[in-house]
Amino acid sequence: AQSVAQPEDQVNVAEGNPLTVKCTYSVSGNPYLFWYVQYPNRGLQFLLKYITGDNLVKGSYGFEAEFNKSQTSFHLKKPSALVSDSALYFCAVRDSRYSSASKIIFGSGTRLSIRP
Amino acid sequence: ETGVTQSPTHLIKTRGQQVTLRCSSQSGHNTVSWYQQALGQGPQFIFQYYREEENGRGNFPPRFSGLQFPNYSSELNVNALELDDSALYLCASSQGQGTLYEQYFGPGTRLTVT
Repeated sequence: AQSVAQPEDQVNVAEGNPLTVKCTYSVSGNPYLFWYVQYPNRGLQFLLKYITGDNLVKGSYGFEAEFNKSQTSFHLKKPSALVSDSALYFCAVRDSRYSSASKIIFGSGTRLSIRP
Repeated sequence: ETGVTQSPTHLIKTRGQQVTLRCSSQSGHNTVSWYQQALGQGPQFIFQYYREEENGRGNFPPRFSGLQFPNYSSELNVNALELDDSALYLCASSQGQGTLYEQYFGPGTRLTVT
């Protein structure tokens, strides 16, 4: 069965410091991995995805994520946090064996708070 | 902002009633997916429509049904509302079926069932 875990409900970082939001996953086949961000009263916004290839994926707004197959992780990172990065972040996974969107699983979300 | 719009923004219904939520997809997109996001949880996939046909369904009962129209807009219908149906309902459109295509989400409809 597929699953995705975001072990931290909240991450607090000072502006200008690097940030990491953690995600681990479990699938039987090869994973397709995604990060989304949700601002208050808004829908989800796509940040980046890993399908295949380079383990370091670069996305929107200076975010990047590193796929680590041995640790089954896909942590979201940014070298220098901005106050405007404060939002709710979701990791999602899909098993590459399934073509249907029905198999996408979202994590429970991590609230990122950047203090000035 | 994406080009995906949803209506209404908020809705309050009574247990046992029926509700219809609407979604207009982004121009050029032929696929619409619906998600339920309960408070404090991640979105859960309800179903997807591709060119007016249902193309994948999550673990939701048949009282959750949908439609996609020739202009690719979509409706989500929920019959016999239950208290647990209270959630934010998100619609996402994409250029093709399956999650390899980037999904563009609307702002959601917040449904409260009392």
